[in-house]
Amino acid sequence: DVKVTQSSRYLVKRTGEKVFLECVQDMDHENMFWYRQDPGLGLRLIYFSYDVKMKEKGDIPEGYSVSREKKERFSLILESASTNQTSMYLCASSLWGLAGGLWYEQYFGPGTRLTVT
Amino acid sequence: QQQVKQSPQSLIVQKGGISIINCAYENTAFDYFPWYQQFPGKGPALLIAIRPDVSEKKEGRFTISFNKSAKQFSLHIMDSQPGDSATYFCAASASNTGKLIFGQGTTLQVKP
Repeated sequence: DVKVTQSSRYLVKRTGEKVFLECVQDMDHENMFWYRQDPGLGLRLIYFSYDVKMKEKGDIPEGYSVSREKKERFSLILESASTNQTSMYLCASSLWGLAGGLWYEQYFGPGTRLTVT
Repeated sequence: QQQVKQSPQSLIVQKGGISIINCAYENTAFDYFPWYQQFPGKGPALLIAIRPDVSEKKEGRFTISFNKSAKQFSLHIMDSQPGDSATYFCAASASNTGKLIFGQGTTLQVKP
């Protein structure tokens, strides 16, 4: 069964703290993604990775960094948390490429609700 | 810059009715259009997807209609059920990127 797990469901941090969000997938997927979800804005891509040690910026990378040292693990790092980073963070993974002309499905974890006070 | 615009933001439908959610896009390079469904406390999950070389795709009670000239696509849920109550996201992707651009989301409530 496909599984993407995230280290915490809820997290409360203080402004200025360094925050690590961890994501692990057990499907041997090449691609991994970090999104943030905010009401009225949908899901916005922060960073993604096509392979180990490889990363590319998404649409809103400012204030974030990522690390992918192993294929199954993708970490999102908030270098100095700010209140405007309070949000739901979703990790996803997928195979790379097409199947029947359609991109492979992205599988999402349950999310981490981060509150920065 | 919102490349995929989704409407309505919320929708209430009676059981057995038809739910319709619309999306519009700007980038003509987009060539993959999935819909994701998200239940409370869960991550989104793929519901149905289409490429622009077909105008319609149906899977059970769920249908995507695609209008390439208008740069619009929509999700139709026939015979809507209370179990369909969820948040729905449309998305789009350009070939060779693998990146999805999501719409703003629609919260659907199906009343018994």
